[in-house]
Amino acid sequence: GQQLNQSPQSMFIQEGEDVSMNCTSSSIFNTWLWYKQDPGEGPVLLIALYKAGELTSNGRLTAQFGITRKDSFLNISASIPSDVGIYFCAGQHSGGSNYKLTFGKGTLLTVNP
Amino acid sequence: SQTIHQWPATLVQPVGSPLSLECTVEGTSNPNLYWYRQAAGRGLQLLFYSVGIGQISSEVPQNLSASRPQDRQFILSSKKLLLSDSGFYLCAWNVHGGTSHNEQFFGPGTRLTVL
Repeated sequence: GQQLNQSPQSMFIQEGEDVSMNCTSSSIFNTWLWYKQDPGEGPVLLIALYKAGELTSNGRLTAQFGITRKDSFLNISASIPSDVGIYFCAGQHSGGSNYKLTFGKGTLLTVNP
Repeated sequence: SQTIHQWPATLVQPVGSPLSLECTVEGTSNPNLYWYRQAAGRGLQLLFYSVGIGQISSEVPQNLSASRPQDRQFILSSKKLLLSDSGFYLCAWNVHGGTSHNEQFFGPGTRLTVL
């Protein structure tokens, strides 16, 4: 099946630093989604992107849908301890089933206060 | 507003025992429903999805099964659990059609430990 390459796998940063993570695919996606999962809980949708080139913000989070439709990035500015968790990208493949998403393997973020 | 529930929250079961996990969605009708498993190490594996009552699509052949007896109820079952069935099981839903139909919303999960 389709796979997304998400990087980095993990990040250790100091509180206040900015964070950037990205996902790439060898095929075109119609939709890019970014989720955050806190320990022991279900993933929560942070940002949804539907147009190539789209740049969307949600508070300190900013995500972009790559022009080629094969990549997306998520930036977190001025990180705080509660940003700790696993961040997943997910995409709906162009021409694929309308009902399924492909997920990246996640980026584990640790923020040192 | 829509909410999604899963129970139980945690479960410890012996190998060979049966399993039944339940997921219900409130505040919407005719949702698409999904079961995922998340093993330690984080990746989300899609197990089953359903676009309507009685309609189940299986993604991974295994000893699990799913059923959708009602519009907003999705059940994950097994007749005999294996050690490898341990993991964090997540139910998700999304709107059937519409501009945001790709946005899936997850439940709180069930932590299953098979001993």
